[in-house]
Amino acid sequence: EADIYQTPRYLVIGTGKKITLECSQTMGHDKMYWYQQDPGMELHLIHYSYGVNSTEKGDLSSESTVSRIRTEHFPLTLESARPSHTSQYLCASEQGIGIQYFGAGTRLSVL
Amino acid sequence: QKEVEQNSGPLSVPEGAIASLNCTYSDRGSQSFFWYRQYSGKSPELIMSIYSNGDKEDGRFTAQLNKASQYVSLLIRDSQPSDSATYLCAVTSNTGKLIFGQGTTLQVKP
Repeated sequence: EADIYQTPRYLVIGTGKKITLECSQTMGHDKMYWYQQDPGMELHLIHYSYGVNSTEKGDLSSESTVSRIRTEHFPLTLESARPSHTSQYLCASEQGIGIQYFGAGTRLSVL
Repeated sequence: QKEVEQNSGPLSVPEGAIASLNCTYSDRGSQSFFWYRQYSGKSPELIMSIYSNGDKEDGRFTAQLNKASQYVSLLIRDSQPSDSATYLCAVTSNTGKLIFGQGTTLQVKP
């Protein structure tokens, strides 16, 4: 069973608030990813990291930012949430090449 | 052209039938190929990986790879209603990044 955790599971906030979505893994994986997925739609890569102090933007433009200060921790921050940010956010870590383990996700709703 | 293409479906099969899910990819340099399953409201989970041409079997699942045709498929034998989910094909790019297809929704009808 994958040891990757996301908090909170659900979040409802008002427009303009700053939020941080947490993601932690205990598997020691260097590679970590953030995806955005609307219901019934495809996964979109928004950020990734190949190790401590390494972060890159993904294929989908996002107003969020990430940091990777510790191997096990890869938080995602929205400085000013908007209704267009309403979505599900999935965090994953990767073992070797291509074998990704996903967290349970955070469902974000911005009013 | 998308890097990894799948028919979004839904693909509907009766219980006990063979479900065949297909995927094509554009990068000839891709070396690793995966099938992830995503139940509605849940996160994706890896069910199969395949790295060389031919078939790879795991229980009721068989992954097939044809690099010359840039084609990957997943066969599910004796389909069960519990197999109803979205199946994501994923391929590693030449930079090592994993590229997901949009997924095929499978419905297995009792």
